Amino acid sequence: SAVISQKPSRDICQRGTSLTIQCQVDSQVTMMFWYRQQPGQSLTLIATANQGSEATYESGFVIDKFPISRPNLTFSTLTVSNMSPEDSSIYLCSVIRDTSYEQYFGPGTRLTVT
Amino acid sequence: GENVEQHPSTLSVQEGDSAVIKCTYSDSASNYFPWYKQELGKRPQLIIDIRSNVGEKKDQRIAVTLNKTAKHFSLHITETQPEDSAVYFCAASKVGVRGSTLGRLYFGRGTQLTVWP
Repeated sequence: SAVISQKPSRDICQRGTSLTIQCQVDSQVTMMFWYRQQPGQSLTLIATANQGSEATYESGFVIDKFPISRPNLTFSTLTVSNMSPEDSSIYLCSVIRDTSYEQYFGPGTRLTVT
Repeated sequence: GENVEQHPSTLSVQEGDSAVIKCTYSDSASNYFPWYKQELGKRPQLIIDIRSNVGEKKDQRIAVTLNKTAKHFSLHITETQPEDSAVYFCAASKVGVRGSTLGRLYFGRGTQLTVWP
């Protein structure tokens, strides 16, 4: 498995502001992903964080709203921009190592927008 | 794209009984099927997975079966315990398939399993 940390673990933000969430892994990984999970719901993929290039976004998610960076093989950030109450959710990063199909999740960031 | 259906959405069993959760998928190119357990307030945890070249896999009290022809796979938990209570998610992925994103998981909607003591 992998040791994955996220910061912050939770935050309460005002509408119209932005929050950057960090995901740090203890060793190099091939793939990093960002998911959103609304209360009582399944996991929805936001984007694949590509190292050294622009992220690949899923339908319904755009770079202006969810800019993502991945400067190296162990770190990524997701920014939730111009927040509204509808953005209240848990945001999780996940990773895959080069030698495995297995995907592991970070502890999540619980975001509340007021 | 892939569509993963999961049933039932809720499942209640008595401690010691077995629990079965079923998923179907639509894309015959999918070849990797993990199961995640998510306890309240925690991250999803990978508990077992199966690849398309295998029909069944067991790990102590949990097992997963795969029927490629019918495009369905199931999670079986035997001798259930209250600690098994959680939401379980199935997922499907295409690993090593040209044109697909490595590791892109398509999730089912989840099953809330409650094990009564």
